[in-house]
Amino acid sequence: AQSVTQLGSHVSVSEGALVLLRCNYSSSVPPYLFWYVQYPNQGLQLLLKYTSAATLVKGINGFEAEFKKSETSFHLTKPSAHMSDAAEYFCAVTPYNTDKLIFGTGTRLQVFP
Amino acid sequence: DAGVIQSPRHEVTEMGQEVTLRCKPISGHNSLFWYRQTMMRGLELLIYFNNNVPIDDSGMPEDRFSAKMPNASFSTLKIQPSEPRDSAVYFCASTRGRQGNNSPLHFGNGTRLTVT
Repeated sequence: AQSVTQLGSHVSVSEGALVLLRCNYSSSVPPYLFWYVQYPNQGLQLLLKYTSAATLVKGINGFEAEFKKSETSFHLTKPSAHMSDAAEYFCAVTPYNTDKLIFGTGTRLQVFP
Repeated sequence: DAGVIQSPRHEVTEMGQEVTLRCKPISGHNSLFWYRQTMMRGLELLIYFNNNVPIDDSGMPEDRFSAKMPNASFSTLKIQPSEPRDSAVYFCASTRGRQGNNSPLHFGNGTRLTVT
């Protein structure tokens, strides 16, 4: 079954530092890929999505992700972390020709002043 | 746009009791999803509907769980009888059309269920 793997359940960075959250997918056919963010006591919100139109996808709040087929990766980055970025981030995949959205295990981002 | 509305926000019940979680999707969305979130298993898709019809319920853990969508604006997830291991946050989400289209999945704020 197709899935996504998020490396690192916790990531800590200083305010202003680069944020890199890793996601790898398992699929022989490029699927639809997404990053969602979850703030405490809230549901998930879409950050960005890849749907084959462009390999570099820009999302909200200054985040972006690059689809690399050769590495089966879809890592999330932000050049400069802000305190308000502290949250849990989920990579997700919709396998080709289905409506399911399958989530990774999540990465909790902490931002220190 | 009021977003996806779930009720109640919190539910505490005793083992063996029936629990009903409710969801109102965003108007115009024709796909609805129920997810469960726990520390141990993360986010699990339980069931999803398209045009009020259940499409895939393979994630429903056992027969104690059932879900209905009697119309386009309402869905319920019922657990009968409830057990302590059902304690989790249950999310409802809706979208227009398929995931790959421009419409993203919109989540409610969840129902935190505690079964004692």
